[in-house]
Amino acid sequence: NAGVTQTPKFQVLKTGQSMTLQCAQDMNHNSMYWYRQDPGMGLRLIYYSASEGTTDKGEVPNGYNVSRLNKREFSLRLESAAPSQTSVYFCASTNTAPYEQYFGPGTRLTVT
Amino acid sequence: GEDVEQSLFLSVREGDSSVINCTYTDSSSTYLYWYKQEPGAGLQLLTYIFSNMDMKQDQRLTVLLNKKDKHLSLRIADTQTGDSAIYFCAESLSGYSTLTFGKGTMLLVSP
Repeated sequence: NAGVTQTPKFQVLKTGQSMTLQCAQDMNHNSMYWYRQDPGMGLRLIYYSASEGTTDKGEVPNGYNVSRLNKREFSLRLESAAPSQTSVYFCASTNTAPYEQYFGPGTRLTVT
Repeated sequence: GEDVEQSLFLSVREGDSSVINCTYTDSSSTYLYWYKQEPGAGLQLLTYIFSNMDMKQDQRLTVLLNKKDKHLSLRIADTQTGDSAIYFCAESLSGYSTLTFGKGTMLLVSP
């Protein structure tokens, strides 16, 4: 079992460029999440998908879109990257209660 | 709204016990969690406690929950240098799988 995998591990973008962060899980989990982590801010939820076919906004959705491609995969897209989106992005997944979330290793994104 | 607060930093000596504290505001929390993050890595679930429990022990880890005061603590016995990391407290609300995280406590263990 690989758990939760994320690609790429590192990325540098110029302002205005677009990119898609990929996430996949092999634990047959229903729910998947995208977070961003910034120094001193902890983890903030961007979007989540409670089940295949549904997506919902989290705390900081502006500037992002998501796609739940199938049960395994949940992608995060930045249409027009801004320096404020420089962050570490984590994907996570979980199943039913007690909702233990399992995290991927993260994508470190720098927007110049 | 929900909020989870943690102290930012804790420094201990190897072999001592560490106690990391967390307070939360939402009384409808059903599960509370402790995660560990090592440098450059993702978050690793250490343990969780159901809100109707007072205590949970798992090897060197003891979680205490005071529901009246909305206070959660994580005690690490015989702290080792490998325990140096950031520890996050998180809560989930009744019926929801989304978690709210604190900002994390950096634990530094010196030899």
